[in-house]
Amino acid sequence: LAKTTQPISMDSYEGQEVNITCSHNNIATNDYITWYQQFPSQGPRFIIQGYKTKVTNEVASLFIPADRKSSTLSLPRVSLSDTAVYYCPRLPSGNTPLVFGKGTRLSVIA
Amino acid sequence: NAGVMQNPRHLVRRRGQEARLRCSPMKGHSHVYWYRQLPEEGLKFMVYLQKENIIDESGMPKERFSAEFPKEGPSILRIQQVVRGDSAAYFCASSPSQDGYTFGSGTRLTVV
Repeated sequence: LAKTTQPISMDSYEGQEVNITCSHNNIATNDYITWYQQFPSQGPRFIIQGYKTKVTNEVASLFIPADRKSSTLSLPRVSLSDTAVYYCPRLPSGNTPLVFGKGTRLSVIA
Repeated sequence: NAGVMQNPRHLVRRRGQEARLRCSPMKGHSHVYWYRQLPEEGLKFMVYLQKENIIDESGMPKERFSAEFPKEGPSILRIQQVVRGDSAAYFCASSPSQDGYTFGSGTRLTVV
């Protein structure tokens, strides 16, 4: 299975924009790119999903370049409550489940 | 519409006992996935089920672990003769198709 690669950890101050990049080597043509957020002692929570270019919702923006070999999750004006682990699992087509890496641990500092 | 319900939230078992973890998917969701998470690690896929069928069990240990998703009732992940290495958080997710997984809050298994 193709693996994703992302930084192990990041720190940010409150109010800043945070960009977390994930590499998607060997991504297949029909795969979608998804991002999940996980707080301690909770299950992951879906944030955003995209196939190419830019997707925006009320929580975040997702940027995917034309070659789709990476994606960037952008969190505008983070707060302390955004401290969590962020994952970028591929969503393959067909009956193949999400594959999670170790994620990026984001720490937001006051 | 309640989310994915997992119970129990915490489960303590002695070595050699059996552990049964339950997952009730969201209403209308027919796809169930089980993942295991060790401390400070990512989620490792275990098994993917649809009603009464195991679709992909490539992440399941070959021995002591089994899963089912009967026509009626919750999905069950069963671990026989637990060992200390089975201590982890076990998460269940459901989806109506291949999109949009919704995860439960997990069951934390501690083997003593």
